[in-house]
Amino acid sequence: EIVMTQSPATLSVSPGERATLSCRASQSVSSNLAWYQQKPGQAPRLLIYGASTRATGIPARFSGSGSGTEFTLTISSLQSEDFAVYYCQQYTNWPQTFGQGTKVEIK
Amino acid sequence: QVQLVQSGAEVKKPGASVKVSCKASEYTFTGYNLHWVRQAPGQGVEWMGWINPDSGGTNYAQKFQGRVTMTRDTSSSTAYMELSRLRSDDTAVYYCARDADGDYVSNLLDYWGQGTLVTVSS
Repeated sequence: EIVMTQSPATLSVSPGERATLSCRASQSVSSNLAWYQQKPGQAPRLLIYGASTRATGIPARFSGSGSGTEFTLTISSLQSEDFAVYYCQQYTNWPQTFGQGTKVEIK
Repeated sequence: QVQLVQSGAEVKKPGASVKVSCKASEYTFTGYNLHWVRQAPGQGVEWMGWINPDSGGTNYAQKFQGRVTMTRDTSSSTAYMELSRLRSDDTAVYYCARDADGDYVSNLLDYWGQGTLVTVSS
């Protein structure tokens, strides 16, 4: 199965600053890469799919890029509600697999 | 608005079985595959399998084959996930999630249930 590796494990950022999260796949997943946001006690929420397409209702400050094995999620100006754990997921190969997550915390 | 509402928390002993339900509303239940994933405390997300609510067809992750059974009741728009021979490392929050594509299995998960905590302890 494809292994998804996220870095860093924890990212400390001040409100208003930019956050850049990375996700690497152990083999190419083309653009079949999604990002999810999870807040404490809640289910994950779909943010980005197709590596760069925002899901319905997701603010423009969230953007995704990359293809093949290297992907990036950028939050351009962090708001208080953005502090959460972010997971990447490849959905090109069976079984679908998720990264271990990056926690974005307040600096 | 699409909703997936899951059953409440469960506490089970090792070796027992648990059955979690997921009731769908505000969309055509038989039009989208439903996935089950789980998340152990402080851990990442692990995919368990999916069910096609129309045909009843299933596809399970290799790790869970022989222990998991996914079923559905179209009359009540409810899907079920039963996990048998529970172990302590099955302690996790179990989620149902809808596949984003209505025509085939995309494995992209667009709507999620609220989660069901299953605790396995003697």
